[in-house]
Amino acid sequence: DIQLTQSPSFLSASVGDRVTITCRASQGISSYLAWYQQKPGKAPKLLIYAASTLQSGVPSRFSGSGSGTEFTLTISSLQPEDFATYYCQQLNSYPITFGQGTRLEIK
Amino acid sequence: QVQLVQSGAEVKKPGASVKVSCKASGYTFTSYDINWVRQATGQGLEWMGWMNPNSGNTGYAQKFQGRVTMTRNTSISTAYMELSSLRSEDTAVYYCARFYSGSYYDSYYYYMDVWGKGTTVTVSS
Repeated sequence: DIQLTQSPSFLSASVGDRVTITCRASQGISSYLAWYQQKPGKAPKLLIYAASTLQSGVPSRFSGSGSGTEFTLTISSLQPEDFATYYCQQLNSYPITFGQGTRLEIK
Repeated sequence: QVQLVQSGAEVKKPGASVKVSCKASGYTFTSYDINWVRQATGQGLEWMGWMNPNSGNTGYAQKFQGRVTMTRNTSISTAYMELSSLRSEDTAVYYCARFYSGSYYDSYYYYMDVWGKGTTVTVSS
């Protein structure tokens, strides 16, 4: 199985900050990586797919990059509604796997 | 609008089975696979398997092989996930998600773009 390791696991930041979350895959997954945002008690929401393609309706302050084994999710200027948990997901091969999550909290 | 509506919360005893439903609307049910993902309280997301509503073909995570069955009823655009031999560790929120698979020129795209709101399954004696 492909393991995904996110860093950091916990991030404290302020409104307006630029933040970056990293996702590393245990083997190459080309660009078959998606990012999701999850708020407490809610289902995950798709933000980015194919490593860097913004899902329709997602604000442009979110961006993704990377290919192979290293990927990043960047939020250019944090807004209050962005404080949530973020997960990466690989869809290169079955079983589909997720990173352990990055919890983003208000400083 | 495109949505997946899941059945309500369940409380089961250890050793029992649970069957969760996921009703699709706003799109052609047989055109997209349905995946199931679960999340224990305070934990991360765990993929359980997929089902093709058109063919009925399925694929399950090794961890759930022999205990999970994914089925569908195309006449009512509904997918089902049944988990048997329940134990306390199966207490979780279970989500269904639409799996998009497409291509554009030489690029392929896969992602889960529509999710149900989740069904809480509690296993307790």
